[in-house]
Amino acid sequence: GAGVSQSPSNKVTEKGKDVELRCDPISGHTALYWYRQSLGQGLEFLIYFQGNSAPDKSGLPSDRFSAERTGGSVSTLTIQRTQQEDSAVYLCASSPQDTNYGYTFGSGTRLTVV
Amino acid sequence: GEDVEQSLFLSVREGDSSVINCTYTDSSSTYLYWYKQEPGAGLQLLTYIFSNMDMKQDQRLTVLLNKKDKHLSLRIADTQTGDSAIYFCAGVGNNRKLIWGLGTSLAVNP
Repeated sequence: GAGVSQSPSNKVTEKGKDVELRCDPISGHTALYWYRQSLGQGLEFLIYFQGNSAPDKSGLPSDRFSAERTGGSVSTLTIQRTQQEDSAVYLCASSPQDTNYGYTFGSGTRLTVV
Repeated sequence: GEDVEQSLFLSVREGDSSVINCTYTDSSSTYLYWYKQEPGAGLQLLTYIFSNMDMKQDQRLTVLLNKKDKHLSLRIADTQTGDSAIYFCAGVGNNRKLIWGLGTSLAVNP
């Protein structure tokens, strides 16, 4: 597609359940980021994939969070045993090798843990 | 460490100019960006500036960069109610990781 696609757009889950969030970046973009934005907070970096390099996982808040990127394209962010503090909007962004033109963001997945 | 700071709120009258300021600590940032986030919407890239530039103008938007003071600003001329949003300043830090400010909430009053 023309932009970064994220699914689902909204997810309500019960505390303790696992969730998977999907990001489909722009075709050909080698860099992919996951961020989260909690209510009233700024953007919090989670993880960064760049081509075939090892991902930068330094932003993942706990070992309940993991992400993978298959074939250098689609990425899945998995949160295990969700907690209420995981409620946030999870944003994915991608960029081409040359970052002159900025990073294109998806519309995000709004996760609510009840 | 790497950090980007912005004032959290700005209120202007419709038709006035808005100036949103940002300071950053990472002098190695090669590109600096301004993103806009409207209520309930995703992040939209407004403009960017390369670190060897002092100024960039794009229609109603003017970006000023003072590398010595590590200060970036976004000026919106003739601010309209549709400009009401949160504006994020971001820089590309080490490892090409984006470093973000907390965002400035711009309120435009009629």
